Amino acid sequence: GAVVSQHPSWVICKSGTSVKIECRSLDFQATTMFWYRQFPKQSLMLMATSNEGSKATYEQGVEKDKFLINHASLTLSTLTVTSAHPEDSSFYICSADPGSASYEQYFGPGTRLTVT
Amino acid sequence: DAKTTQPTSMDCAEGRAANLPCNHSTISGNEYVYWYRQIHSQGPQYIIHGLKNNETNEMASLIITEDRKSSTLILPHATLRDTAVYYCIVPYGSSNTGKLIFGQGTTLQVKP
Repeated sequence: GAVVSQHPSWVICKSGTSVKIECRSLDFQATTMFWYRQFPKQSLMLMATSNEGSKATYEQGVEKDKFLINHASLTLSTLTVTSAHPEDSSFYICSADPGSASYEQYFGPGTRLTVT
Repeated sequence: DAKTTQPTSMDCAEGRAANLPCNHSTISGNEYVYWYRQIHSQGPQYIIHGLKNNETNEMASLIITEDRKSSTLILPHATLRDTAVYYCIVPYGSSNTGKLIFGQGTTLQVKP
C-alpha cells in the first residue's frame, strides 16, 4: 500500500525557536497534502491544505504566519512551526491525497512536538 | 460535512464481531460514508467507504441502511490489534476538496 513518512517522529525544542516537520509520500505523487494537529485525548483538527506549487489554504483560526507550509514537490510538504511556544506542543499528522478523486487518503505516522 | 454521531466507546471480546454504528441522518444523495481508524499514537488508517451498497474488503464490511441515514462498520473477527478509535466521516460530496473532518469517533476496546 501507499506509504507516507514524517520526519522527525518526535522533537523537543525551546520556546521561541522554529521547528520544521517533513511529510513525504514515498511511492506515489500527491498534489495535495493535509496537515492536522491532535492534542491529548482529542480528535484530529485539520489545520491546512497543502497544494503543490501554490499557497496553502488554512482553516479558520489557524495562523498562517505561525504555521508555514511549503509543498515544493509532488512528494514533499513541510510544516514549520515558527516561534514555538509550549501551547504548540502537540501531535502533528500529515496526510496525502493520491489524486484518485476520493477521500481515501494515506496518513503519516505523526510527529510529537514538545516545546519547553 | 454531514454531521455524524457515534457512540463514545464500545467493548468487544476478542474473536467476536465488532459492530460500530454511525448515524448520518443529514447525508445528501451523492455523499459517501468513509471509515478510518487511529491506533494510539499513530496516524489514521483508511478502512472502507461506501455510497449506498454494502461494501466489503479485507479489513471490514460496511452496511449502509436503505435510507442511508446510518451505517455500521463490522470487523468480523476482532483482535487485540483492532483496539483503536474509529471515525465515521461524511465529506462534502460535490466540492471534492479532499478535506476530512474528524469527529470524536468511537473508542473500541477489544478484550481478551
